[in-house]
Amino acid sequence: EVQLVESGGGLVQPGRSLRLSCVVSGFTFDDYAMHWVRQVPGKGLEWVSGISWDGRSTGYADSLKGRFTISRDNDKNTLYLQMTSLTAEDTALYYCAKALDILWSAYWGDSWGQGTLVSVSS
Amino acid sequence: QSVLTQPPSASGTPGQTVTMSCSGSSSNIGNNYVNWYQQVPGTAPKLLIYRNNQRPSGVPDRFSGSKSGTSASLAISGLRSEDEADYYCAAWEDSLSGWVFGGGTKLTVL
Repeated sequence: EVQLVESGGGLVQPGRSLRLSCVVSGFTFDDYAMHWVRQVPGKGLEWVSGISWDGRSTGYADSLKGRFTISRDNDKNTLYLQMTSLTAEDTALYYCAKALDILWSAYWGDSWGQGTLVSVSS
Repeated sequence: QSVLTQPPSASGTPGQTVTMSCSGSSSNIGNNYVNWYQQVPGTAPKLLIYRNNQRPSGVPDRFSGSKSGTSASLAISGLRSEDEADYYCAAWEDSLSGWVFGGGTKLTVL
């Protein structure tokens, strides 16, 4: 059974940093690209970032302005999202999602985690 | 405001066929594949359709996708109460080199 489990969310002050993790099981992690998607409670989905199977290719939403960094450790079956200079606008539920291809520019989203909530507030 | 435009709501009665649209431009839908996701409130999204009209294994054939020009559509036939959910389209955006979502359509089964 494919499983994706996010962690690392919580309450953080504006301007601080946070690192999210997504531990996967049930499939060969380094055969697939991965993504992060966020959702403000009660609002729509927003694609955040994607990473290729080997971590060499990454992409980000323009709205992030270079504050987030996606990475992966294929030996640990873990996807990461390092978030810096957090603002209230980053408050959301963050999901990790599996791609159906090695490239993050190809089709994706056949498996999702349950999300980890990030709240940015003083 | 989302790059892809979806109507905020749709509705139908059990057994009916409902179609929802996703409108974009030449730099996204017009030049790339469209994916559709279903999100039942309180749960994670689920991939329904990829590459315009392909269903992942386990998705019933009641769900179908199509694309024409810069617009795409998702059709649900034989509507069921469990289809009540939010539906999102997504596509690759050439100008951003990234993915964009529509704002979502909330489907109500009357």
